[in-house]
Amino acid sequence: DAKTTQPPSMDCAEGRAANLPCNHSTISGNEYVYWYRQIHSQGPQYIIHGLKNNETNEMASLIITEDRKSSTLILPHATLRDTAVYYCIVHSGGSNYKLTFGKGTLLTVNP
Amino acid sequence: NAGVTQTPKFRILKIGQSMTLQCAQDMNHNYMYWYRQDPGMGLKLIYYSVGAGITDKGEVPNGYNVSRSTTEDFPLRLELAAPSQTSVYFCASSAGGGVGLMNTEAFFGQGTRLTVV
Repeated sequence: DAKTTQPPSMDCAEGRAANLPCNHSTISGNEYVYWYRQIHSQGPQYIIHGLKNNETNEMASLIITEDRKSSTLILPHATLRDTAVYYCIVHSGGSNYKLTFGKGTLLTVNP
Repeated sequence: NAGVTQTPKFRILKIGQSMTLQCAQDMNHNYMYWYRQDPGMGLKLIYYSVGAGITDKGEVPNGYNVSRSTTEDFPLRLELAAPSQTSVYFCASSAGGGVGLMNTEAFFGQGTRLTVV
């Protein structure tokens, strides 16, 4: 699976959009981009995933560049409860499915 | 639905003791995983299973064993606990995994916090 690069930390004001970047320049054609988050001491929580089209669900939006080498997770109206570590993972599925977690981005939402 | 349930939530072991971390899921998922997370670090895969009777090693399997006799349960066994195994352990499950089966959202339990002294 392709490696991802994320900033170690970011800050965001409550009520504003949080834009979390992820670089995955070695992504291959059959690999999806997944986002998970981990609120302090809890198990990771799935947020969203996509292949090449932008995706949106009730939690967030995922914007993938046309060359698929980077993506951005958007939390449209961040709240204090969105403070968490956000993990960007590139994965192809296949017969040996497993997720590889890096260190992620610690997003701190400030009042 | 309970989702993924891990027991116990906390445990203190002495060096050399053994224990089993329990994990159960009620979503009929074929894929199950065990991860460990050391302080300030990301998750590392210990073992995973693609179905009952099938298990395979992940990134850090040494010191651990697993079994998968049913779809629902995936226990993790520590035979001779060492201080290096002090960590938070997460169990997860997912439905898919084969090519084209992209319903692969993983569900995680709340973790077992293990301290070896």
